[in-house]
Amino acid sequence: AQTVTQSQPEMSVQEAETVTLSCTYDTSESDYYLFWYKQPPSRQMILVIRQEAYKQQNATENRFSVNFQKAAKSFSLKISDSQLGDAAMYFCAPFSGNTPLVFGKGTRLSVIA
Amino acid sequence: NAGVTQTPKFQVLKTGQSMTLQCAQDMNHEYMSWYRQDPGMGLRLIHYSVGAGITDQGEVPNGYNVSRSTTEDFPLRLLSAAPSQTSVYFCASRRTGGFEQYFGPGTRLTVT
Repeated sequence: AQTVTQSQPEMSVQEAETVTLSCTYDTSESDYYLFWYKQPPSRQMILVIRQEAYKQQNATENRFSVNFQKAAKSFSLKISDSQLGDAAMYFCAPFSGNTPLVFGKGTRLSVIA
Repeated sequence: NAGVTQTPKFQVLKTGQSMTLQCAQDMNHEYMSWYRQDPGMGLRLIHYSVGAGITDQGEVPNGYNVSRSTTEDFPLRLLSAAPSQTSVYFCASRRTGGFEQYFGPGTRLTVT
């Protein structure tokens, strides 16, 4: 079974600043992915970034990057140059092909103009 | 492609009523799942299916039934609605071997 802990229920960041959202997970799988999903007020679930566990290089997508520490089972999301449109709930989710996607409880990010 | 569609978008039920939340996808995905989202709880898995005719329970299956007679459709049935089932329900699908989940827009259900 996979478990996910997001220890920050709420975070806030000033516009144009950088913020890091934390996530730790546990899995017995050796081959898996890690995802960050964004859920804006529209409720739509949007895949922000993914990391393959076998890759040592941290994934980057424009202003979004991750810090993946496999031994520590840590997967944090860094948002640089924060924008008002980044305000949303963010969910961390480990995934392997053999099990359903499991989500953390989420972090609500507010962006202050 | 319409992707993953869910109907209705909103529903209000009285305690004890039954209803079916519909989910359909047109991407020929084998894997489909239902989640519920409550405030502060994230998304919790209710039931999932790895293909037509095969379903399995997730984390919170009590009070819900599912069936998968076709690849396209995966309805979620509430047999006797309870206020504790007030939530937002999401359906998702992916292809076997794929990693990306496609989510529907959600159904907001209120049970009074």
